[in-house]
Amino acid sequence: NAGVMQNPRHLVRRRGQEARLRCSPMKGHSHVYWYRQLPEEGLKFMVYLQKENIIDESGMPKERFSAEFPKEGPSILRIQQVVRGDSAAYFCASSPIRGQYNEQFFGPGTRLTVL
Amino acid sequence: DAKTTQPNSMESNEEEPVHLPCNHSTISGTDYIHWYRQLPSQGPEYVIHGLTSNVNNRMASLAIAEDRKSSTLILHRATLRDAAVYYCILLLAGNQFYFGTGTSLTVIP
Repeated sequence: NAGVMQNPRHLVRRRGQEARLRCSPMKGHSHVYWYRQLPEEGLKFMVYLQKENIIDESGMPKERFSAEFPKEGPSILRIQQVVRGDSAAYFCASSPIRGQYNEQFFGPGTRLTVL
Repeated sequence: DAKTTQPNSMESNEEEPVHLPCNHSTISGTDYIHWYRQLPSQGPEYVIHGLTSNVNNRMASLAIAEDRKSSTLILHRATLRDAAVYYCILLLAGNQFYFGTGTSLTVIP
């Protein structure tokens, strides 16, 4: 039973380029969450998606960031025109259903470096 | 939105119990208390969660104060593999986790 998968594990981009981060949730999980972790800090919630729907994007920066979770395929976090401040570890988590008692299963993260 | 407060770091000797405290004085009646840990260069890993009653599982125990304004994660016998950052999190309506900066646990052989 594979866990949450993220790729790439490491991504290097130059300022102004686009970054695409992929997340495949655990089998049977239809809820996906994205978090960002800056160096020496805790994780910050970005967005919560269900299949084909964004449920809560209150943690997403207003510009350059977008997320999707299509009916088929992985969830994608897209960062356009990256800047050095976007350098961070981005974690995806999934859960089978929605609920405050539910465990979220985290992937290994994608470490984005912007040169 | 700092909803939990934890010490920045703690140390424990190997094979001794560890008590990791967390204050969450603004907790509401429906907020669940979750604990996760993060090993270096890995994603967070679920440890335990609870609402009002104390909880036990194979990894740890969670002791929740009667007024729910604080809780304590108990590792019964610390091992070197338990060295990690431990996060105390309130899971609010909307399924959002709010991570603080956590407690970095060092286990001394």
